[in-house]
Amino acid sequence: DGGITQSPKYLFRKEGQNVTLSCEQNLNHDAMYWYRQDPGQGLRLIYYSQIVNDFQKGDIAEGYSVSREKKESFPLTVTSAQKNPTAFYLCASRLDTSSGANVLTFGAGSRLTVL
Amino acid sequence: LAKTTQPISMDSYEGQEVNITCSHNNIATNDYITWYQQFPSQGPRFIIQGYKTKVTNEVASLFIPADRKSSTLSLPRVSLSDTAVYYCLVATSGSARQLTFGSGTQLTVLP
Repeated sequence: DGGITQSPKYLFRKEGQNVTLSCEQNLNHDAMYWYRQDPGQGLRLIYYSQIVNDFQKGDIAEGYSVSREKKESFPLTVTSAQKNPTAFYLCASRLDTSSGANVLTFGAGSRLTVL
Repeated sequence: LAKTTQPISMDSYEGQEVNITCSHNNIATNDYITWYQQFPSQGPRFIIQGYKTKVTNEVASLFIPADRKSSTLSLPRVSLSDTAVYYCLVATSGSARQLTFGSGTQLTVLP
């Protein structure tokens, strides 16, 4: 079945450590997105990528980094510069990048806790 | 930039029809309106999408007036399992496709 796989599902990190969240899709989608969700809050856009080797900052990119070396992969690194990294992280992808249609397919999410 | 505004929360009873309205005054000509449903600790899932007038699928209807500055998601005969957060999404940029969600509406269905 096609879909988006995020790993790990749960991750614990000590303060000062960088961690990388994996996002892989086999939907042949062009665009990929990373969102952050805090308890009881909506989704906030961290980074997005329209095509391979290109990505753009979203609303809350500080303290995060991404890469898009392959079409199917869009890993997110939470760096030590991110002051409050404890959150639920969601990866998404979208098929049609040329028209107004914007149906996103989401992964199951990764929950990061800083100890 | 297109921005969406929704009610923060709504309550309903089982079997009732629920209408959730989203305002998007700055929607661009080529933008579509898409609604998602999210359960706790899960990724949002697609419900319905439309461009104008009315769209209906097996789970919901979407009403969009001619000026497209708002849209209404209609859920017929809700059940307890429809308790979730509902988001409307409009693309915020015509070319860059930066997709920013609003705060969503927490729908609570009561027995």
